[in-house]
Amino acid sequence: AQRVTQPEKLLSVFKGAPVELKCNYSYSGSPELFWYVQYSRQRLQLLLRHISRESIKGFTADLNKGETSFHLKKPFAQEEDSAMYYCALGSGGSNYKLTFGKGTLLTVNP
Amino acid sequence: EAGVTQSPTHLIKTRGQQATLRCSPISGHTSVYWYQQALGLGLQFLLWYDEGEERNRGNFPPRFSGRQFPNYSSELNVNALELEDSALYLCASSLEVVSADTQYFGPGTRLTVL
Repeated sequence: AQRVTQPEKLLSVFKGAPVELKCNYSYSGSPELFWYVQYSRQRLQLLLRHISRESIKGFTADLNKGETSFHLKKPFAQEEDSAMYYCALGSGGSNYKLTFGKGTLLTVNP
Repeated sequence: EAGVTQSPTHLIKTRGQQATLRCSPISGHTSVYWYQQALGLGLQFLLWYDEGEERNRGNFPPRFSGRQFPNYSSELNVNALELEDSALYLCASSLEVVSADTQYFGPGTRLTVL
């Protein structure tokens, strides 16, 4: 069975500090990993996915199959990064579904 | 481009009643997904519809059901409501039935069971 673990419910950093949101997964097949974000009063939206290998809003995430991790990083946090972040695992082929972690609430203090 | 829409925004029912939630995907999207976001449990996959057929369902009892119409809109029905069904129900749509395709989420329907 697939599982996504985000060990931190809350994460607080100061503006300009580096931030890392942790995500570990459990899946026997070839994983597809995503980070979704929900800003205050907005709907859930895709931030980035591992296959794109892109940086969005300064965030990057690298899939580490050895450690089964997909941590989200940003070198210099901004106040507008304050939001709820969800790591998600896509799996199942023809029975495709997204399995979400419980989320990490990031607060960037001025 | 209009996003995913859901109705109603809020729904209040009593235990034992039935609830019907509706979702309209982004134009051109054929896949619709339903998720339950209950307090403390996070987002849990409920159902996936594509081209009018149920493709996959999560670990929920059969009283959670739905359908997808020819215009790709979808309906989620919850029968014999229980107090623990109180949650935010999110609908998402995607363009293609391919893995790693972006799912676009609606604003949700807040269901309260009294």
